[in-house]
Amino acid sequence: EIVMTQSPATLSVSPGERATLSCRASQSVSSNLAWYQQKPGQAPRLLIYGASTRATGIPARFSGSGSGTEFTLTISSLQSEDFAVYYCQQYNNWPFTFGGGTKVEIK
Amino acid sequence: EVQLVQSGAEVKKPGESLKISCKGSGYSFTSYWIGWVRQMPGKGLEWMGIIYPGDSDTRYSPSFQGQVTISADKSISTAYLQWSSLKASDTAMYYCARLGSSSSGDYWGQGTLVTVSS
Repeated sequence: EIVMTQSPATLSVSPGERATLSCRASQSVSSNLAWYQQKPGQAPRLLIYGASTRATGIPARFSGSGSGTEFTLTISSLQSEDFAVYYCQQYNNWPFTFGGGTKVEIK
Repeated sequence: EVQLVQSGAEVKKPGESLKISCKGSGYSFTSYWIGWVRQMPGKGLEWMGIIYPGDSDTRYSPSFQGQVTISADKSISTAYLQWSSLKASDTAMYYCARLGSSSSGDYWGQGTLVTVSS
């Protein structure tokens, strides 16, 4: 099973600032990596797939990069609605696996 | 519009059985994998298993193999997750998700909260 490790666990950012979230895979997942956003009491929402492709309706301030074992999600200018938990997930091998999540909180 | 609508919250006792559902609409139900994801209280997300309703091909995560059963009825565009004997540790929110063309979860149900308590 591929282990996904996210860092940091919590990121404190001021509105308007840039946020950079990291995700590492225990073995190569190629570009088969997705990022999700989850707000309290809501289902996860797909942000990025294929490591760098924004899902339908996702604002351009969200961008993903990386391949192999190292991935990054960048939120260029945090808006109030972006404070949430973010999960990476590999879908290169079954079982698919999520990282433990990064909580982005208001500084 | 693609939608996944899950059945309502359940409160059960240990040892009881349960089957929750996820009804898809707005797309060809038989052409996309559907997965089930567990989220225990205050914790992260875990894939439990996936099913292809077109031919009922099913895969389970090793952690959930033998603990749950995933099925689908393509005639009514509905996927199911069932337990034969619930434990308190099954208390969690359960989500279904459609795996899009990239195999990422592109549409999600609203979640079904399962509470198991004596």
